[in-house]
Amino acid sequence: QIQLVQSGPELKKPGESLKISCKASGYTFTDYAMQWVKQAPGKGLQYMGWINTQTGKPTYADDFKERFVFSLETSASTAYLQINNLKNEDTATYFCARPKFHYWGQGVMVTVSS
Amino acid sequence: DIQMTQSPSFLSATVGDRVTINCKASQNINKYLNWYQQKLGEAPKRLIYNTNSLQTGIPSRFSGSGSGTDYTLTISSLQPEDVATYFCLQHNSGYTFGAGTKLELK
Repeated sequence: QIQLVQSGPELKKPGESLKISCKASGYTFTDYAMQWVKQAPGKGLQYMGWINTQTGKPTYADDFKERFVFSLETSASTAYLQINNLKNEDTATYFCARPKFHYWGQGVMVTVSS
Repeated sequence: DIQMTQSPSFLSATVGDRVTINCKASQNINKYLNWYQQKLGEAPKRLIYNTNSLQTGIPSRFSGSGSGTDYTLTISSLQPEDVATYFCLQHNSGYTFGAGTKLELK
């Protein structure tokens, strides 16, 4: 069955970087783009952008054009979200999802605190 | 960018009640509107896609309707397991989520 399995929770300090993963299984990885979504504590869902899994080209929503990097390891059917120069407001759960948002990863809780 | 205004933000209802949640788009989204249920600590689950298509495995008490800029999710007879937060998502032009409706039992 189709699954998106994300890496575990992260606790980081402001200014640090992190890279979270989203491993796909049950389908051909390059047949579908990968989307990323942020959910701050107690808040709604915010669309971050997507990466073309055939070309590796990322597209970022306006609020995520700096410090955020989408990448791939196609041989491992894995997409990555890297966040550089972490800020307190990056504290959130980050989800990967396939287009049209039917299949979702379980989410990665990221806490940024000094 | 398309904005989505979801209402109400909070809803308290009794088991068996008919419940409706609304989303209004800032422009015509051509019925490209999905509804999601999210329980605490879980990923969202798609209930309805393209306004009124019920996702496989979702109970028939959930239904969707609408056109143009106005869309509605209806739960015909609220069950205890329906306590959750509900979101809409437009996918006509990019993606925009509604702010969510937290549904609780009275």
